[in-house]
Amino acid sequence: KNQVEQSPQSLIILEGKNCTLQCNYTVSPFSNLRWYKQDTGRGPVSLTIMTFSENTKSNGRYTATLDADTKQSSLHITASQLSDSASYICVVSAENNNDMRFGAGTRLTVKP
Amino acid sequence: DGGITQSPKYLFRKEGQNVTLSCEQNLNHDAMYWYRQDPGQGLRLIYYSQIVNDFQKGDIAEGYSVSREKKESFPLTVTSAQKNPTAFYLCASSIRGLGVEQYFGPGTRLTVT
Repeated sequence: KNQVEQSPQSLIILEGKNCTLQCNYTVSPFSNLRWYKQDTGRGPVSLTIMTFSENTKSNGRYTATLDADTKQSSLHITASQLSDSASYICVVSAENNNDMRFGAGTRLTVKP
Repeated sequence: DGGITQSPKYLFRKEGQNVTLSCEQNLNHDAMYWYRQDPGQGLRLIYYSQIVNDFQKGDIAEGYSVSREKKESFPLTVTSAQKNPTAFYLCASSIRGLGVEQYFGPGTRLTVT
């Protein structure tokens, strides 16, 4: 069964600190993996997309990594800001159909 | 929110009533989707449509219905048959294709009492 697991469920950090969010998946055959940011009460917005051959991709202070062998991805946030407070959702797509699986998300709170 | 609008933002209904959630997009996307989001769970696909006048059931279609008469619009009706309708509903659209990026609307929070 295609699944996506994210950890931790929630995280609180101080402004300016770094953090790393994890995503493990069993989706197969793998097509791509996206990280979305969802502000409270809003729709998710795409941060990065990674395909099988990509190990690392950055978008400003966000850096995503992918290990297709172990089926793990991480999202690293550098020098966190208050506006980073949101849920971060990992979404994995399968290659042979339009199956997209969403993780439950990590709720990040950045405190001053 | 990328050219996708959902209305209303908040919706309250009494149990036993049908309710229709609106979703409109001006991105010229062929595909549109409806998801349900509950606390502690990932988004779950209710229905999707790859082209006008065609739609497919997702993982949790029971108690819901949709129509796709126009490319820009994909309304979702939550019927009285839906056992637990209170949730946050998200509409999305994309170009056609596998694993493409979906653009989400701002969502509608439905509360049924």
